[in-house]
Amino acid sequence: EIVMTQSPATLSVSPGERATLSCRASQSVRSNLAWYQQKPGQAPRLLIYGASTRATGIPARFSGSGSETEFTLTISSLQSEDFAVYYCQQYNKWPPITFGGGTKVEIK
Amino acid sequence: QVQLVESGGGVVQPGRSLRLSCIAAGFTFRSYAMHWVRQAPGKGLEWVAVTSKDGSNKYYADSVKGRFTISRDNSKNTLYLQMNSPRAEDTAVYYCARPVWFGEFDGFDIWGQGTMVTVSS
Repeated sequence: EIVMTQSPATLSVSPGERATLSCRASQSVRSNLAWYQQKPGQAPRLLIYGASTRATGIPARFSGSGSETEFTLTISSLQSEDFAVYYCQQYNKWPPITFGGGTKVEIK
Repeated sequence: QVQLVESGGGVVQPGRSLRLSCIAAGFTFRSYAMHWVRQAPGKGLEWVAVTSKDGSNKYYADSVKGRFTISRDNSKNTLYLQMNSPRAEDTAVYYCARPVWFGEFDGFDIWGQGTMVTVSS
């Protein structure tokens, strides 16, 4: 099973600032990685797939990069609605599909 | 409108059974493999199971293998999760989820609202 590790666990950022979230895979997942955003009481929302392709309707301030074992989600200028928990997910070698433990982006 | 609506959650005693349902609307259900994903209270996401488009192939997380069964009825646009012998650690919100494409997997773009299952005596 591929283990996904996200860092940091919590990120404190001021509105308008850039946020950089990291995700590491225990072995190569090539570019088979997705990012999700989840707000309290809601289902996750797909942001990025294929490591860098924005899903339908996702604003351009969200960008994904990386390959193999190291990945980054960048939010260029945080808006109030972006404060949430973010998860990475690998689907290169499955089952099982595996998720990272999440990064909570909170208001500084 | 493309949507998934789960039902069937509630409180179940350890060792009993519970069946979750997920009704799909707004897309061609039989064209997609379908998945269950769960989230324990205050915890992260855990993939549970997948069924192929026609239900002939099924895969499970080790944590539920041999206890849970995923199935589907394409004539009713409905996905199921039969939970047998549930344990306290199965307490979670259960989501059904649809992949982005009906071919190669690239993440889940459609999720249900979730149904809460609490395993407790």
